[in-house]
Amino acid sequence: QVQLAESGGGVVQPGGSLRLSCATSGFTFSRSAMHWVRQAPGKGLEWVAVISYDGSDKYYGDSVRGRFTISRDNSRNTLYLEMSSLRTEDTAVYYCVRARENNSPVDFLCEIWGQGTMVTASS
Amino acid sequence: EIVLTQSPGTLSLSPGERATLSCRASQTIGRSYLAWYQQIPGQAPRLLIYGASTRATGISDRFSGSGSGTDFTLTINRLEPEDSAVYYCQQYSVSPITFGQGTRLEI
Repeated sequence: QVQLAESGGGVVQPGGSLRLSCATSGFTFSRSAMHWVRQAPGKGLEWVAVISYDGSDKYYGDSVRGRFTISRDNSRNTLYLEMSSLRTEDTAVYYCVRARENNSPVDFLCEIWGQGTMVTASS
Repeated sequence: EIVLTQSPGTLSLSPGERATLSCRASQTIGRSYLAWYQQIPGQAPRLLIYGASTRATGISDRFSGSGSGTDFTLTINRLEPEDSAVYYCQQYSVSPITFGQGTRLEI
């Protein structure tokens, strides 16, 4: 059974930094691209970033490019999101999402979602 | 980027009826890389349909998708109370990946 467990959320001041983690199990992590998608309170879904299964390719949404960095550790089956220069508009639930297993190196489909971790950027 | 516009914003129907949700793209979505997600309040989204018309694993055949190019539809037959949720379309053809703003379905 696929499990995605996000952690690292919390309250941070605008301009601060935070690192999210997503521990995974139940599938071959090194054969799946992975995404982060966020949802501001009461709002819709916003795609944040995707990383290829070997970490060699990364793509970002316009609103986070240059401030957020997606990475992965295939030996630990863990996905990360390093967030810096946080803004109040970054306040959201951040979901870790698995793409299709054994598909293309960078699969843009968001197949399986974690339960999310809340990030609040506020003074 | 490809902008997705969903309609209607809210849909109120009764159990047993059929729901028809629309998603229109600002430009052609290549290879019909259009997906639909269901988000029940308080839960994470769940993939329903990908490739415009392929049901994801474990999804009831009451859910069906259709369309190509710029116009796509999600149809839910024989509505049940547990279908109450927000439904999002997503294009995964090109980066940046984009979502529609959602349609709220009330049963």
